[in-house]
Amino acid sequence: KAGVTQTPRYLIKTRGQQVTLSCSPISGHRSVSWYQQTPGQGLQFLFEYFSETQRNKGNFPGRFSGRQFSNSRSEMNVSTLELGDSALYLCASKDARGYNEQFFGPGTRLTVL
Amino acid sequence: DQQVKQNSPSLSVQEGRISILNCDYTNSMFDYFLWYKKYPAEGPTFLISISSIKDKNEDGRFTVFLNKSAKHLSLHIVPSQPGDSAVYFCAASGGVNTGTASKLTFGTGTRLQVTL
Repeated sequence: KAGVTQTPRYLIKTRGQQVTLSCSPISGHRSVSWYQQTPGQGLQFLFEYFSETQRNKGNFPGRFSGRQFSNSRSEMNVSTLELGDSALYLCASKDARGYNEQFFGPGTRLTVL
Repeated sequence: DQQVKQNSPSLSVQEGRISILNCDYTNSMFDYFLWYKKYPAEGPTFLISISSIKDKNEDGRFTVFLNKSAKHLSLHIVPSQPGDSAVYFCAASGGVNTGTASKLTFGTGTRLQVTL
């Protein structure tokens, strides 16, 4: 099976812009979660989507949003970018049968200038 | 409020020896624990997991031990190999029936270096 794929791999934006990141989960996985990794805060949970519905949410401002499509692909959007949004954004997918193991994609490196 | 802690930021071990990485947690609602290995600019790679009903799980060179009363888990790698050099994260989540199984809380990571 192909792994989790994320596009784009690298992105440079300026403050105030918005950005959309994309994630394709492992085939058959219906749960998709997003994480942010920064040197200061480490790996932090953003949100999870399952069957096109947000099922869990982390402690991030409303500028961070996401959605999931019927084919389980997911996108996350960050509006009004701030310098502190510079991070590695990771997507992970999980088998909905109940196992907890999540499998991560390579991430999108976002740099906000 | 760091609910999952890895107090050793780095660890150096000789090839062939045992590597022991430690992790402590504070949230008693955590029901499932995982270890991930990560290289720079890549996503974490799942290594091994353990549910709270067990105290040990083994997979090849990797063994995870869980001490629920101490809220402590450890990852043992035997024998250590140079290719094991990476940053290791422990993570915790609620149980499958809580609806929070996908919400992983990560520790800060331990950088393991396996020397020749």
